[in-house]
Amino acid sequence: DSGVTQTPKHLITATGQRVTLRCSPRSGDLSVYWYQQSLDQGLQFLIQYYNGEERAKGNILERFSAQQFPDLHSELNLSSLELGDSALYFCASSVEEGEAYEQYFGPGTRLTVT
Amino acid sequence: QQQVKQSPQSLIVQKGGISIINCAYENTAFDYFPWYQQFPGKGPALLIAIRPDVSEKKEGRFTISFNKSAKQFSLHIMDSQPGDSATYFCAALSYNTDKLIFGTGTRLQVFP
Repeated sequence: DSGVTQTPKHLITATGQRVTLRCSPRSGDLSVYWYQQSLDQGLQFLIQYYNGEERAKGNILERFSAQQFPDLHSELNLSSLELGDSALYFCASSVEEGEAYEQYFGPGTRLTVT
Repeated sequence: QQQVKQSPQSLIVQKGGISIINCAYENTAFDYFPWYQQFPGKGPALLIAIRPDVSEKKEGRFTISFNKSAKQFSLHIMDSQPGDSATYFCAALSYNTDKLIFGTGTRLQVFP
């Protein structure tokens, strides 16, 4: 158990809908990262937040957005969903003290868009 | 744009054998090279990591070999066990960008 929690575990929704995925980082970790894992694209970095501020952006679509709250939990919002958005979404967290960049991954949320 | 190339895509090894997975990168600005292990239905778990000022790092049965001039690094799993059967991802990170770039993954199957 990495200490990172994600909810829900599974999500099934229809095209055009909007969903919110939630992540709680490990205790003490200030950074939260979101990744998308699909069969054809592998593990893709989406976005990173550090202590409430956006730190880095990857291949995140404009239909997707994220935020990190004062209690450090994070939410990933996916809107106008398309069939191709079906994937596993992982959250990871890290401490980022000095050069300690170990990222610890949560169990993921499996999103199915029908 | 794939910046970390991983091979092979799949690997079948006999119990007790050595599993070798290779990765190559293009960006010389990478500072940190972790390996992740992922079991079906689970998130990736950090296995072992190396920084480019070190040529080898060993933790138990797992060893990373790093060749900075060739921009290649590899994971060796000694005495492979059926419990090692999983998908392995190499990755690279630049401290400047904070983006962890993953390889495409290697599915390892260890047969008894």
